[in-house]
Amino acid sequence: DSGVTQTPKHLITATGQRVTLRCSPRSGDLSVYWYQQSLDQGLQFLIHYYNGEERAKGNILERFSAQQFPDLHSELNLSSLELGDSALYFCASSVTPAGNTGELFFGEGSRLTVL
Amino acid sequence: QQQVKQSPQSLIVQKGGISIINCAYENTAFDYFPWYQQFPGKGPALLIAIRPDVSEKKEGRFTISFNKSAKQFSLHIMDSQPGDSATYFCATSMSGAGSYQLTFGKGTKLSVIP
Repeated sequence: DSGVTQTPKHLITATGQRVTLRCSPRSGDLSVYWYQQSLDQGLQFLIHYYNGEERAKGNILERFSAQQFPDLHSELNLSSLELGDSALYFCASSVTPAGNTGELFFGEGSRLTVL
Repeated sequence: QQQVKQSPQSLIVQKGGISIINCAYENTAFDYFPWYQQFPGKGPALLIAIRPDVSEKKEGRFTISFNKSAKQFSLHIMDSQPGDSATYFCATSMSGAGSYQLTFGKGTKLSVIP
């Protein structure tokens, strides 16, 4: 158990809809990262928040947004969903933005299916 | 986003054999090279990592070999066991950039057969 909690574990929705994925980082971790995992693209970095502030953006679509709240949990919002958005979405946390070991602790992911 | 090329896509090894997975990167500014292991239904977990000041790091049956001039690094699993069957991802990152996001390879599915 990594200590990172993601909800929901599974989500099925229709095209055009909007969903919110939630992540609670390990206790004491200030950084939250979001990754998208699909069969053909592997693990793609989406966005990084540190202590409530956006630190880096990767291949995140404009239809997607994220935030980190004062209690350090984070939410990833996906809107105007398309079939191609079906994927596993992982949240990871670390102690600092440039941690001593660079180790990221991943949750078990939220599997999104868009029909 | 910088690419990390990982090979092979899949690998089947007999129990007791050596599993070798290779990765190549482009950006010479990368200074942290971890390998993550992912079991079905779980998130990736750090297995072993190396920094470019050493050419090899060993932890138990797992070894990273690093070739800075060739911009390549590899994971060797000695005495492979069925419990090692998982997907392995190499990754890279750079310190000092204010963010420690990892750039991952596309993964290698390892199957160790008895």
